Amino acid sequence: DQQVKQNSPSLSVQEGRISILNCDYTNSMFDYFLWYKKYPAEGPTFLISISSIKDKNEDGRFTVFLNKSAKHLSLHIVPSQPGDSAVYFCAASVFGNEKLTFGTGTRLTIIP
Amino acid sequence: DTGVSQDPRHKITKRGQNVTFRCDPISEHNRLYWYRQTLGQGPEFLTYFQNEAQLEKSRLLSDRFSAERPKGSFSTLEIQRTEQGDSAMYLCASSKVGRQGADGTQYFGPGTRLLVL
Repeated sequence: DQQVKQNSPSLSVQEGRISILNCDYTNSMFDYFLWYKKYPAEGPTFLISISSIKDKNEDGRFTVFLNKSAKHLSLHIVPSQPGDSAVYFCAASVFGNEKLTFGTGTRLTIIP
Repeated sequence: DTGVSQDPRHKITKRGQNVTFRCDPISEHNRLYWYRQTLGQGPEFLTYFQNEAQLEKSRLLSDRFSAERPKGSFSTLEIQRTEQGDSAMYLCASSKVGRQGADGTQYFGPGTRLLVL
C-alpha cells in the first residue's frame, strides 16, 4: 500500500529553468509534508516542509505547494542549478506519530 | 556538530550470519530512528527511540531484527541469520522532540549498505 506516490521516476530540466516535482498521497490523516534531497552514497537531506494548515511555503529557490483537496503537493525549484541534480523524496507524517512515510523518489537531472 | 554517523558504511556477509550496525546521533537529539531503503524505493520506517525507550516498531521488523539504544545515546541494529532479502541500505536519523520540519526535523546519517550473499 503506497501511501505516498511520486509517479515520475526521473525529470530533466535545463539549467536556469524551473523544476517541478510532484507527489500524491492517499492517507488523509497526513498533516505534515516534507521534501528530502539525496545524493549518491549520502543520507537524505531535509529541504523544506509544509503543514496541512498552509498551502504554500517558500525558502529561497524552493517552494512547496499543498493542495489538500487533491491530496497533492509539489516542489518548485527556480532557477534550477547543476548542484540540484539528485534524487528528491517526498515524505509525510501524522500528528503525534513522528515516523516518516516516503515516496519512491524522483531523479532530477539539471542539464547545463 | 558532526551530524549523524553510521558504522560500517558497507557490509558484505554470507547468508545465515549475524550483523550489527551502529548509529551515533547528533549529540543533543533525544529521538533516533531506523529506516531501510531498497533499490528503487524510498526509505521505510523500521523503529524509533525516544531516549532509551523503543516507542514503535514496524511490522517490517521481524523477529530476526533487534534494535537497542542503551543510555539514550548511540543505537545498534542487529540482524540475526541474515537472508538475501535483507540486502538494503539501513539509514539512521535523529531529531529533537518536536514537529517535523521544525525542531523535530529528522536528520539522516549516510547509511550502511548491506549485501547478503
